[in-house]
Amino acid sequence: DAGVIQSPRHEVTEMGQEVTLRCKPISGHNSLFWYRQTMMRGLELLIYFNNNVPIDDSGMPEDRFSAKMPNASFSTLKIQPSEPRDSAVYFCASSLGGRETQYFGPGTRLLVL
Amino acid sequence: AQKITQTQPGMFVQEKEAVTLDCTYDTSDPSYGLFWYKQPSSGEMIFLIYQGSYDQQNATEGRYSLNFQKARKSANLVISASQLGDSAMYFCAMREFNQGGKLIFGQGTELSVKP
Repeated sequence: DAGVIQSPRHEVTEMGQEVTLRCKPISGHNSLFWYRQTMMRGLELLIYFNNNVPIDDSGMPEDRFSAKMPNASFSTLKIQPSEPRDSAVYFCASSLGGRETQYFGPGTRLLVL
Repeated sequence: AQKITQTQPGMFVQEKEAVTLDCTYDTSDPSYGLFWYKQPSSGEMIFLIYQGSYDQQNATEGRYSLNFQKARKSANLVISASQLGDSAMYFCAMREFNQGGKLIFGQGTELSVKP
């Protein structure tokens, strides 16, 4: 069975550029989560969706970050404009219901120069 | 206050021996879940084991078991018969049911298994 799929796996960009990260959750899962991992702050939730609706976006750092889930099988996390401090690993996770075990994708390693 | 505390930044264990990774948590929510994830050097996050706050028995999954002591608010992970492939970062996480699906992670423990 396919797990959570994320693309790209690696992204190197220059400050000021737009970055779009993509996620395909496990088929049948109705909750989707975006996390960010940095050395300084560890793993932290950015936003999560339940049935394609954003439920908690309190972790989104600022207006430069936006996330969408247009349908049950696709979500994007966009950073515009990107800054060097956005460099991190971004994980997408999905679960069968918001209170069930979350399964993580392989992550996207983002480096903003 | 830290919601999840992992006091061991790094640990070593001899192959084939058992090891305990510590995790303490802080919550006033009576309903919560505790999780352990493994992150090898390749970077992915692998779910290992789950314990619900109302579960009467400690969770077990193969060589992994969770030593859940509710009164002490601890949820230590026990790995039996360590293997070289167990070398990785291990994260303890908590979900408070009244806070929705959000997972709160500890800072992690890096486990090294020596041959």
